[in-house]
Formats: sequence, C-alpha cells, structure tokens
Amino acid sequence: DIQMTQSPSSLSASVGDRVTITCRASQSISNFLHWYQQKPGKAPKVLIYGASSLQSGVPSRFRGSGSGTDFTLTITSLQPEDSATYYCQQTYSSLLMYTFGQGTKLEIK
Amino acid sequence: EVQLVQSGAEVKKPGESLKISCKASGYSFTNYWIGWVRQMPGKGLEWMGVIWPGDSDTRYRPSFQGQVTISVDKSISTAYLQWSSLKASDTAIYYCARRGDIPTYYLMDVWGQGTTVTVSS
Repeated sequence: DIQMTQSPSSLSASVGDRVTITCRASQSISNFLHWYQQKPGKAPKVLIYGASSLQSGVPSRFRGSGSGTDFTLTITSLQPEDSATYYCQQTYSSLLMYTFGQGTKLEIK
Repeated sequence: EVQLVQSGAEVKKPGESLKISCKASGYSFTNYWIGWVRQMPGKGLEWMGVIWPGDSDTRYRPSFQGQVTISVDKSISTAYLQWSSLKASDTAIYYCARRGDIPTYYLMDVWGQGTTVTVSS
C-alpha cells in the first residue's frame, strides 16, 4: 500500500484564522490526491480533487496545493461550520488500493 | 441526479451473515468503479476494495481479502458488500463510493449515505 501520513491529528483555531493540514505520501503520487471533509454522522464530502482543484460548490477559502509526495490543505478565514474531520486520500495506486490519511480533527474555538 | 443510496442500518449477532447494498442511479452503472470504505466507531476511513460492475473485476485490500465479498447485480445497478460470519469487530459504518474518471484524478466523487452495521450478542 501507499501510506498516507496526515498531520496534525487535531487542531483548534478561532473564527477568522488560517489553518494548514499536511499530507505526505510514502511514494510519489503525482496529483492523485484529494481532500474530504466529514462531519459527525455524515458521509465524506469532497473539497479538493487532483491536489488543487476546488470541487464545485465548495467555498473558495479552501485551497489545496502540492504534488509528488507533499500536499497541503489550507483553510483561510475559518468559519464555525468548518468544524469537522479532514481526510486526504490517494488514488494513484495501480492496484486500486486507495488509502486515506489518518484524519485531522479541526475544532473551532 | 447521480446518487448512491445504501440500505438501512443492521443489527446482527456474531456468526450471522449479512449483505448490504448500494443502489446507483443517474449514470451508467457499468462504466465506473465502485469502492467500499469502512469507518469503525470513532476512527478514520479505511479503504476495503473496489469492483468494476461491467465484468465484476474485484480488488480487495489484503486485510479484507477473505473477510468480505464485494459483488454487483448489473440488472438493478446495485453493488453489495457481504459477510458470511460476522464478528463484533465488523461493527462500523460502511460507505460505497463511485470512482470518477481520469480528469478528476480518479476522485471518489459520489458517496452513499453509509450503512451502520452493529454486531453484538
């Protein structure tokens, strides 16, 4: 499997802050990296695909960057509704083993 | 509207069998991979495996091989995840998701709402 290491595992920030979550792959995955937001009791929601493309309907304060092995999700001007757990996922594997990062729980103070 | 609708919550006893479903609509079912994802209570997302509905080509993550069976019924655009003998450790929420095409870098672009499986004696 391609291992995905996400950090931090949790963070707390205030409304209006900017936060960054990182995701590192155990091998190069080009741009086959996606970010999801999950709220309690809900299915994951796509935020960013292909490392940096904003999914339709997602606010522009969410931004993805990176390529190869290192990726970041940046949320600018945090809003209360951004409280959630965020996951990265790679879909590069030729064996179709599409692993997730461990998740980052974001709390809004 | 493209959507995946999963079957309802299940409560089972250890040793029992179970088959949960994921019904697709709004797109050509046989032209997209369908994946299954497990989320154990309070834990993260785990990739289980994937199936191509066109010919039932199935790929399992090694840790799930032999533990579950993924299948489809093309005639009713439905994918399945089944267990022959449930364990308490199978208690989790299970999601199905569609894999998009190369322009989206194979994004899992459509998700079912999840099926909660509880295994308890």
